[in-house]
Amino acid sequence: DGGITQSPKYLFRKEGQNVTLSCEQNLNHDAMYWYRQDPGQGLRLIYYSQIVNDFQKGDIAEGYSVSREKKESFPLTVTSAQKNPTAFYLCASKGSGGVDTQYFGPGTRLTVL
Amino acid sequence: GENVEQHPSTLSVQEGDSAVIKCTYSDSASNYFPWYKQELGKGPQLIIDIRSNVGEKKDQRIAVTLNKTAKHFSLHITETQPEDSAVYFCAASINSGGYQKVTFGTGTKLQVIP
Repeated sequence: DGGITQSPKYLFRKEGQNVTLSCEQNLNHDAMYWYRQDPGQGLRLIYYSQIVNDFQKGDIAEGYSVSREKKESFPLTVTSAQKNPTAFYLCASKGSGGVDTQYFGPGTRLTVL
Repeated sequence: GENVEQHPSTLSVQEGDSAVIKCTYSDSASNYFPWYKQELGKGPQLIIDIRSNVGEKKDQRIAVTLNKTAKHFSLHITETQPEDSAVYFCAASINSGGYQKVTFGTGTKLQVIP
Protein backbone atom coordinates (compact mmCIF):
# COMPACT_ATOMS: atom_id res chain seq x y z
CA ASP A 1 0.00 0.00 0.00
CA GLY A 2 3.03 2.26 0.03
CA GLY A 3 2.53 5.60 1.73
CA ILE A 4 -1.17 5.91 1.05
CA THR A 5 -3.65 5.48 3.87
CA GLN A 6 -7.41 5.34 3.72
CA SER A 7 -9.81 5.47 6.61
CA PRO A 8 -11.97 4.01 7.80
CA LYS A 9 -11.57 0.48 6.43
CA TYR A 10 -15.30 -0.20 6.81
CA LEU A 11 -18.04 2.41 6.85
CA PHE A 12 -21.76 2.07 7.30
CA ARG A 13 -24.18 4.78 6.35
CA LYS A 14 -27.89 5.24 6.59
CA GLU A 15 -29.77 6.30 3.52
CA GLY A 16 -29.95 10.07 3.17
CA GLN A 17 -26.70 10.73 4.99
CA ASN A 18 -23.52 12.19 3.59
CA VAL A 19 -20.27 10.47 4.48
CA THR A 20 -16.63 11.42 3.94
CA LEU A 21 -13.84 8.99 3.13
CA SER A 22 -10.30 9.95 4.01
CA CYS A 23 -7.22 9.54 1.80
CA GLU A 24 -3.75 10.66 2.87
CA GLN A 25 -0.38 10.15 1.15
CA ASN A 26 3.16 10.92 2.27
CA LEU A 27 4.76 10.19 -1.09
CA ASN A 28 4.91 13.84 -2.15
CA HIS A 29 2.77 12.97 -5.15
CA ASP A 30 1.03 15.74 -7.03
CA ALA A 31 -1.80 13.71 -8.56
CA MET A 32 -4.47 11.87 -6.61
CA TYR A 33 -7.44 9.82 -7.74
CA TRP A 34 -10.63 8.25 -6.44
CA TYR A 35 -11.98 5.04 -7.96
CA ARG A 36 -15.05 2.98 -7.28
CA GLN A 37 -14.92 -0.82 -7.52
CA ASP A 38 -17.99 -3.02 -7.84
CA PRO A 39 -17.97 -6.84 -8.04
CA GLY A 40 -17.04 -8.12 -11.46
CA GLN A 41 -16.16 -4.69 -12.76
CA GLY A 42 -12.99 -2.79 -13.30
CA LEU A 43 -12.11 0.36 -11.45
CA ARG A 44 -14.11 3.41 -12.45
CA LEU A 45 -12.77 6.92 -11.97
CA ILE A 46 -14.82 9.26 -9.77
CA TYR A 47 -12.61 12.33 -9.40
CA TYR A 48 -8.98 13.24 -9.88
CA SER A 49 -6.70 16.06 -8.86
CA GLN A 50 -3.44 16.92 -10.56
CA ILE A 51 -2.44 19.67 -8.15
CA VAL A 52 -3.52 21.32 -4.92
CA ASN A 53 -6.73 23.37 -5.15
CA ASP A 54 -7.66 21.80 -8.48
CA PHE A 55 -9.75 18.74 -9.27
CA GLN A 56 -11.73 17.36 -12.17
CA LYS A 57 -14.70 15.04 -12.61
CA GLY A 58 -14.05 11.53 -13.75
CA ASP A 59 -16.42 9.12 -15.46
CA ILE A 60 -18.90 8.67 -12.58
CA ALA A 61 -18.76 11.91 -10.53
CA GLU A 62 -22.50 12.31 -9.95
CA GLY A 63 -23.36 12.14 -6.27
CA TYR A 64 -19.77 12.63 -5.14
CA SER A 65 -17.67 15.64 -4.15
CA VAL A 66 -14.01 16.18 -3.30
CA SER A 67 -11.59 18.81 -2.08
CA ARG A 68 -7.83 19.20 -2.40
CA GLU A 69 -6.74 21.82 0.12
CA LYS A 70 -3.47 20.07 0.93
CA LYS A 71 -1.08 18.08 -1.24
CA GLU A 72 -1.25 15.13 1.14
CA SER A 73 -5.02 14.87 1.42
CA PHE A 74 -7.86 14.18 -1.01
CA PRO A 75 -11.10 13.40 0.87
CA LEU A 76 -14.15 12.06 -0.94
CA THR A 77 -17.70 12.84 0.17
CA VAL A 78 -20.45 10.46 -0.85
CA THR A 79 -23.63 12.49 -0.81
CA SER A 80 -27.23 11.42 -0.47
CA ALA A 81 -27.59 12.09 -4.19
CA GLN A 82 -25.51 9.01 -5.00
CA LYS A 83 -28.16 6.42 -5.80
CA ASN A 84 -26.14 3.28 -5.24
CA PRO A 85 -23.20 4.11 -2.97
CA THR A 86 -22.46 0.64 -1.61
CA ALA A 87 -19.05 -0.23 -3.07
CA PHE A 88 -15.32 -0.52 -2.43
CA TYR A 89 -13.61 2.86 -2.78
CA LEU A 90 -9.95 3.14 -3.72
CA CYS A 91 -7.68 6.15 -3.57
CA ALA A 92 -4.52 6.36 -5.65
CA SER A 93 -1.67 8.79 -6.18
CA LYS A 94 0.96 9.36 -8.83
CA GLY A 95 4.20 11.27 -8.98
CA SER A 96 5.11 13.82 -11.60
CA GLY A 97 7.99 14.22 -14.02
CA GLY A 98 7.06 11.54 -16.49
CA VAL A 99 6.09 8.95 -13.88
CA ASP A 100 3.05 6.96 -14.99
CA THR A 101 2.43 4.48 -12.18
CA GLN A 102 -0.52 4.97 -9.86
CA TYR A 103 -0.18 3.56 -6.36
CA PHE A 104 -3.26 2.52 -4.46
CA GLY A 105 -4.36 2.72 -0.87
CA PRO A 106 -5.97 -0.20 1.00
CA GLY A 107 -9.53 0.90 0.24
CA THR A 108 -12.70 1.70 2.17
CA ARG A 109 -15.75 -0.51 1.96
CA LEU A 110 -18.90 1.57 2.22
CA THR A 111 -22.21 -0.09 2.97
CA VAL A 112 -25.51 1.75 2.96
CA LEU A 113 -28.00 0.31 5.40
CA GLY B 1 -12.58 6.63 -25.35
CA GLU B 2 -10.32 3.77 -24.50
CA ASN B 3 -11.85 0.33 -24.02
CA VAL B 4 -9.93 -2.51 -22.34
CA GLU B 5 -11.16 -6.08 -22.50
CA GLN B 6 -9.68 -8.76 -20.28
CA HIS B 7 -9.94 -12.56 -20.53
CA PRO B 8 -10.58 -14.91 -18.93
CA SER B 9 -12.67 -13.66 -16.01
CA THR B 10 -11.69 -16.71 -13.94
CA LEU B 11 -8.73 -19.05 -14.25
CA SER B 12 -7.85 -22.15 -12.27
CA VAL B 13 -4.44 -23.78 -12.60
CA GLN B 14 -2.54 -26.47 -10.76
CA GLU B 15 0.37 -25.35 -8.64
CA GLY B 16 3.49 -25.26 -10.76
CA ASP B 17 1.64 -24.70 -14.04
CA SER B 18 1.66 -21.45 -15.99
CA ALA B 19 -1.15 -18.89 -16.14
CA VAL B 20 -1.81 -16.48 -18.98
CA ILE B 21 -4.16 -13.50 -18.88
CA LYS B 22 -4.89 -11.52 -22.03
CA CYS B 23 -6.06 -7.95 -22.59
CA THR B 24 -6.92 -5.92 -25.65
CA TYR B 25 -7.20 -2.17 -25.95
CA SER B 26 -8.76 0.11 -28.53
CA ASP B 27 -6.82 3.40 -28.49
CA SER B 28 -3.52 3.18 -30.34
CA ALA B 29 -2.33 6.27 -28.42
CA SER B 30 -2.15 4.29 -25.17
CA ASN B 31 1.50 4.06 -24.20
CA TYR B 32 1.73 2.54 -20.74
CA PHE B 33 0.31 -0.80 -19.58
CA PRO B 34 0.44 -1.72 -15.87
CA TRP B 35 -0.73 -4.95 -14.28
CA TYR B 36 -2.08 -5.02 -10.75
CA LYS B 37 -2.67 -7.83 -8.28
CA GLN B 38 -5.48 -7.41 -5.80
CA GLU B 39 -5.96 -9.66 -2.81
CA LEU B 40 -9.32 -9.89 -1.11
CA GLY B 41 -10.24 -6.72 0.75
CA LYS B 42 -7.05 -4.89 -0.21
CA GLY B 43 -5.98 -2.28 -2.70
CA PRO B 44 -4.37 -3.25 -6.03
CA GLN B 45 -0.61 -3.65 -6.03
CA LEU B 46 1.50 -3.03 -9.12
CA ILE B 47 3.30 -6.22 -10.14
CA ILE B 48 4.73 -5.33 -13.54
CA ASP B 49 4.32 -2.73 -16.26
CA ILE B 50 5.40 -2.18 -19.83
CA ARG B 51 5.71 0.84 -22.08
CA SER B 52 4.74 0.99 -25.72
CA ASN B 53 8.34 1.09 -26.93
CA VAL B 54 9.04 -2.34 -25.43
CA GLY B 55 7.73 -5.70 -26.61
CA GLU B 56 8.42 -7.82 -23.56
CA LYS B 57 9.43 -7.43 -19.94
CA LYS B 58 10.21 -10.06 -17.35
CA ASP B 59 10.55 -10.02 -13.59
CA GLN B 60 11.33 -13.42 -12.10
CA ARG B 61 8.22 -15.59 -12.62
CA ILE B 62 6.18 -12.79 -14.16
CA ALA B 63 6.38 -11.54 -17.74
CA VAL B 64 4.33 -9.20 -19.87
CA THR B 65 4.22 -9.05 -23.66
CA LEU B 66 2.87 -6.26 -25.81
CA ASN B 67 1.79 -6.36 -29.45
CA LYS B 68 1.09 -2.78 -30.50
CA THR B 69 -0.03 -3.72 -33.97
CA ALA B 70 -2.72 -6.04 -32.69
CA LYS B 71 -3.36 -3.86 -29.61
CA HIS B 72 -3.08 -6.64 -27.12
CA PHE B 73 -0.90 -7.42 -24.14
CA SER B 74 -0.62 -10.44 -21.90
CA LEU B 75 0.52 -11.40 -18.42
CA HIS B 76 2.39 -14.67 -18.00
CA ILE B 77 2.98 -16.24 -14.60
CA THR B 78 5.20 -19.33 -14.55
CA GLU B 79 5.60 -21.91 -11.80
CA THR B 80 2.46 -20.70 -10.10
CA GLN B 81 2.19 -20.88 -6.32
CA PRO B 82 -0.86 -20.73 -4.02
CA GLU B 83 0.09 -17.20 -3.00
CA ASP B 84 -0.42 -16.12 -6.61
CA SER B 85 -4.17 -16.62 -6.08
CA ALA B 86 -5.79 -13.18 -6.40
CA VAL B 87 -7.59 -10.94 -8.87
CA TYR B 88 -5.39 -9.48 -11.59
CA PHE B 89 -6.22 -6.28 -13.47
CA CYS B 90 -4.69 -5.00 -16.66
CA ALA B 91 -4.84 -1.34 -17.61
CA ALA B 92 -4.05 0.93 -20.52
CA SER B 93 -2.87 4.47 -19.94
CA ILE B 94 -2.76 7.50 -22.18
CA ASN B 95 -1.45 10.99 -21.51
CA SER B 96 -3.77 13.70 -22.74
CA GLY B 97 -3.10 17.37 -22.06
CA GLY B 98 -0.88 16.55 -19.09
CA TYR B 99 -3.49 14.27 -17.55
CA GLN B 100 -2.99 10.53 -17.36
CA LYS B 101 -6.15 8.62 -18.18
CA VAL B 102 -6.09 4.99 -17.05
CA THR B 103 -8.67 2.45 -18.22
CA PHE B 104 -8.84 -0.83 -16.35
CA GLY B 105 -9.91 -4.26 -17.47
CA THR B 106 -12.62 -6.08 -15.55
CA GLY B 107 -10.23 -8.41 -13.76
CA THR B 108 -9.25 -12.09 -13.77
CA LYS B 109 -9.69 -14.17 -10.65
CA LEU B 110 -6.78 -16.60 -10.55
CA GLN B 111 -6.98 -19.68 -8.37
CA VAL B 112 -3.88 -21.80 -7.93
CA ILE B 113 -4.79 -25.27 -6.70
CA PRO B 114 -2.18 -26.87 -4.43
